[in-house]
Amino acid sequence: EVQLVESGGGLVQPGGSLRLTCAASGFTFTNYALNWVRQVPGKGLEWISFISGISQTTYYADSVKGRFAISRDNAKNSVYLQMNSLRVEDTAIYYCARDVSDYSGGTYYHIRFDPWGQGTLVTVSS
Amino acid sequence: ENVLTQFPGTLSLSPGERATLSCRASQSVSSSYLVWYQQKPGQAPRLLIYGASNRATGIPDRFSGSGSGTDFTLTISRLEPEDFAMYYCQHYGRSPRYSFGQGTKLEIK
Repeated sequence: EVQLVESGGGLVQPGGSLRLTCAASGFTFTNYALNWVRQVPGKGLEWISFISGISQTTYYADSVKGRFAISRDNAKNSVYLQMNSLRVEDTAIYYCARDVSDYSGGTYYHIRFDPWGQGTLVTVSS
Repeated sequence: ENVLTQFPGTLSLSPGERATLSCRASQSVSSSYLVWYQQKPGQAPRLLIYGASNRATGIPDRFSGSGSGTDFTLTISRLEPEDFAMYYCQHYGRSPRYSFGQGTKLEIK
């Protein structure tokens, strides 16, 4: 069974740091990119970061660029999100999601997130 | 930035009725990159439809997706009690790499 399990959430003061972990199982980890998506409780979804499989290319949303860093350890089948300079508005549930796509003729298509982990809650408050 | 707008914000229907949810992009998008997710309270989102019209594994055939260009639709042909949830559309683009619509809440009337 393909599974993603997030951990590392908790309460942190504004300006503080936290590192989230997403542990993957049930698939060949290096074959897939992964994403972090967050959701303020009761609100919508916001994509925040992407990391590719082998080359470890990374992308970030403007809202977290320069403060958050995504990384992965392919030996441990894990992806991390290092969050620094945390703000009250970073309070959210953080999900990791596997990036799935089809490939043909040099083009990736049918890109989708499947599956998602259960999420971990980060609360930034004094 | 390509902004996705979903409407209606809330849709109130009864079991057995047909639901039509819309997702409009501010700029034309490839249907290959348009995705729909379902999210129930306290749960993570679940993949429903990808490539605008392809059902994900295990998704009942009462769910269908259509559209092209800037207008996309998720249709649920006959609502079951378990279908009442939040629905989000998503697009893969350039900057940001991914964007989501704000969601449509499908509630029991």
